[in-house]
Amino acid sequence: NAGVTQTPKFQVLKTGQSMTLQCAQDMNHNSMYWYRQDPGMGLRLIYYSASEGTTDKGEVPNGYNVSRLNKREFSLRLESAAPSQTSVYFCASSEGGPPEQFFGPGTRLTVL
Amino acid sequence: RKEVEQDPGPFNVPEGATVAFNCTYSNSASQSFFWYRQDCRKEPKLLMSVYSSGNEDGRFTAQLNRASQYISLLIRDSKLSDSATYLCVVPPGGSYIPTFGRGTSLIVHP
Repeated sequence: NAGVTQTPKFQVLKTGQSMTLQCAQDMNHNSMYWYRQDPGMGLRLIYYSASEGTTDKGEVPNGYNVSRLNKREFSLRLESAAPSQTSVYFCASSEGGPPEQFFGPGTRLTVL
Repeated sequence: RKEVEQDPGPFNVPEGATVAFNCTYSNSASQSFFWYRQDCRKEPKLLMSVYSSGNEDGRFTAQLNRASQYISLLIRDSKLSDSATYLCVVPPGGSYIPTFGRGTSLIVHP
């Protein structure tokens, strides 16, 4: 089992460009999450999906959209990238209930 | 008071030392607690779960003090490979959306 996979691993964008970060899990988990991690700020929840067909905002949703494509896949879209979105993005999944989460390897995004 | 607070450290300890970190939380309704480990430039990985008073796994012991609303992580006989950032995670009561602390950095030196 691959666990949680994310693509791409690295990305450089110019301000105003758009892109989609992909995440997939093969553990048959119900819940999936997108976080960003910035120095000194810890992990902050952007969006989550408690189950297939549902999505909800987390702590820092502005500037992002998500799609729960099916039970396996949860994508994060930046419509018009800004330098403030330079960060490391982690996708995670959990069975639901107590969040023993499994994380993907992360995407390092730089917006110039 | 922030929801989940941790001393960022770094804690610098020699190999073989015992070290403990605390994590305080504000939501008294929280029922489950977690410690994650994050190596530099890597993803967080679950280290221990704490559902009642505590949990022990080899050199690692997690304790829960509900009255004072904190959890602790004790590492005995520290190894160089224990060097990492340790994240405390507390889901608010009634929700499984986790709140992460900012992490405590541990550096174990020879």
